[in-house]
Amino acid sequence: AQSVTQLGSHVSVSEGALVLLRCNYSSSVPPYLFWYVQYPNQGLQLLLKYTSAATLVKGINGFEAEFKKSETSFHLTKPSAHMSDAAEYFCAVSEYNFNKFYFGSGTKLNVKP
Amino acid sequence: EAQVTQNPRYLITVTGKKLTVTCSQNMNHEYMSWYRQDPGLGLRQIYYSMNVEVTDKGDVPEGYKVSRKEKRNFPLILESPSPNQTSLYFCASSSRIGQGVDGYTFGSGTRLTVV
Repeated sequence: AQSVTQLGSHVSVSEGALVLLRCNYSSSVPPYLFWYVQYPNQGLQLLLKYTSAATLVKGINGFEAEFKKSETSFHLTKPSAHMSDAAEYFCAVSEYNFNKFYFGSGTKLNVKP
Repeated sequence: EAQVTQNPRYLITVTGKKLTVTCSQNMNHEYMSWYRQDPGLGLRQIYYSMNVEVTDKGDVPEGYKVSRKEKRNFPLILESPSPNQTSLYFCASSSRIGQGVDGYTFGSGTRLTVV
């Protein structure tokens, strides 16, 4: 079975600083990869996805992620954090030719003024 | 507006009293799924459905039932709820992408408390 590892259950950055949220997956076959954001008391919203096209993927709200096959990673970045980015972020993997969808355990992002 | 609608948003019930959480999507998606979210455990899949009349167990199916009689609806049934089923539940739907599943659209969630 696939596994998704998000390093750091809590990440804290200052407003204006770089945001880096880490995600590693275990599949030997490049899967489809996703980042979701969950604001308090809300459902999950798709931020961006990688589906074997460009390895650098741009999403909503200024976020982007880069697929690195050699590192089996799909880290999420944003150059300058905003207070409104405070939320929980989930990395997810969908295996090619498979019907399962795996989520990481989530990373809570705190943005300090 | 494309959306997944879950009802109710909040539910408090007693142990053993059957309940149904409804889920409906208006995007003609083939794939629908139920997840529960618990602190420290992330999202765990309960059941999923590839299409009408096709359902399969996820990682934590015990104590739950589902049905998919129509493409748009995917209700979650708890025949005899227990306190360990107190959780936040999400319904999600997706279309296919290649040979896999595209990104989900999630409902707003149902917070269930079983006392």
